[in-house]
Amino acid sequence: EVQLVESGGGLVKPGGSLRLSCAASGFTFSNAWMSWVRQTSGKGLEWVGRIKTKIDGWATDYAAPVKGRFVISRDDSKNTLYLQMNSLKIEDTGLYYCATDGNPWAGEVLYYWGQGTLVTVS
Amino acid sequence: DVVLTQSPLSLPVILGQPASISCRSSQSLVYSDGNTYLNWFQQRPGQSPRRLIYKVFNRDSGVPDRFSGSGSGTDFTLKISRVEAEDVAIYYCKEGTHWPPHIFGQGTKLEIK
Repeated sequence: EVQLVESGGGLVKPGGSLRLSCAASGFTFSNAWMSWVRQTSGKGLEWVGRIKTKIDGWATDYAAPVKGRFVISRDDSKNTLYLQMNSLKIEDTGLYYCATDGNPWAGEVLYYWGQGTLVTVS
Repeated sequence: DVVLTQSPLSLPVILGQPASISCRSSQSLVYSDGNTYLNWFQQRPGQSPRRLIYKVFNRDSGVPDRFSGSGSGTDFTLKISRVEAEDVAIYYCKEGTHWPPHIFGQGTKLEIK
């Protein structure tokens, strides 16, 4: 059974930093592209960014609102995905989900989701 | 970036009655391989999003057949043939053709009237 478990959320002041983790199990994590998606009260679901696999050079892409402030990384030896959030703003407040991703034709694109971890910037 | 516009944003429905949600894209969602990567997601209160539909009309595993997707190009629709209490949720369309980024619609809140 595929499981994605996020952790690391909490209360942080504007301008602060936070690192989220997503522990994966039940599938070959090293072969999977992974995304972070957040849910904010004002904007519904918003894609944050994505990281590809080692074969794809661990390439990353980010949504415009977080580019330059957030960094996605992964540790395939630990089956764990990370989201380093810096220079946090009030509008970054929300529930952060990790989810499986892939090429458009891949069945895993945003198919498996974690339960989310809450980030409050105040 | 592509903009997805859902309507209505709020949808009160009587139990057992049909429901329909529209999703319109600012650009065609036909990919270079000829497929159209338009998904629908359901988010029940207090739960993580769940993918219901992929490539316009394909139901994901375990999705009841009362849910159906249709459309082409820039206009898409999610229909529920007979609404049940468990269908109370926010529904999002999402395009995967012009990625990154993944773009979601604003969401449609379905409630029981």
